[in-house]
Amino acid sequence: NAGVTQTPKFQVLKTGQSMTLQCAQDMNHEYMSWYRQDPGMGLRLIHYSVGAGITDQGEVPNGYNVSRSTTEDFPLRLLSAAPSQTSVYFCASSSRFGQLLSYNSPLHFGNGTRLTVT
Amino acid sequence: TQLLEQSPQFLSIQEGENLTVYCNSSSVFSSLQWYRQEPGEGPVLLVTVVTGGEVKKLKRLTFQFGDARKDSSLHITAAQPGDTGLYLCAGGADKLIFGTGTRLQVFP
Repeated sequence: NAGVTQTPKFQVLKTGQSMTLQCAQDMNHEYMSWYRQDPGMGLRLIHYSVGAGITDQGEVPNGYNVSRSTTEDFPLRLLSAAPSQTSVYFCASSSRFGQLLSYNSPLHFGNGTRLTVT
Repeated sequence: TQLLEQSPQFLSIQEGENLTVYCNSSSVFSSLQWYRQEPGEGPVLLVTVVTGGEVKKLKRLTFQFGDARKDSSLHITAAQPGDTGLYLCAGGADKLIFGTGTRLQVFP
């Protein structure tokens, strides 16, 4: 029962470097999303996807790119890292009912990637 | 833009006390979920409320959805140290937005 797997768990980048945070789920969930969580705060939605080939922006999309070529994978790319992107990043997935998130299905979270940009 | 405001932001209490956490919005939600997050982990779902006025109980936790489906509350009776964590409400139809969070610390 892998669920949602995020790699790496920790990453340190220098300003201007690029990297990809990986996220994979084995539950055949259509909906996948990326959140960032800053110290002591709630979760803010970066990007989300309602199925393979479909992505959309969340609350704080600037500085991040995503793609969804398969149902299982939803990588998050930082093209040019900035100190303001220092945060803990969570990937999550859920099932859907038609066009809507299924209210009976919880959002399943990975264990997060702690990113520091110096 | 749908926003979810939680209050209080921080809560520090002694074991055995009761507490209530609030989640408010100016938007109507078809359903709201409550999650709890412990340090170093992702949030875990506690409950989903769907019907306006609905009350759900999970052991010592009582969740209520407002009649107008714009707000929700979480009441904990006789809090225990194991209740310590970050409590988050969340809602949305095509995407899930989270509230600002309430950090609860229960001291023995």
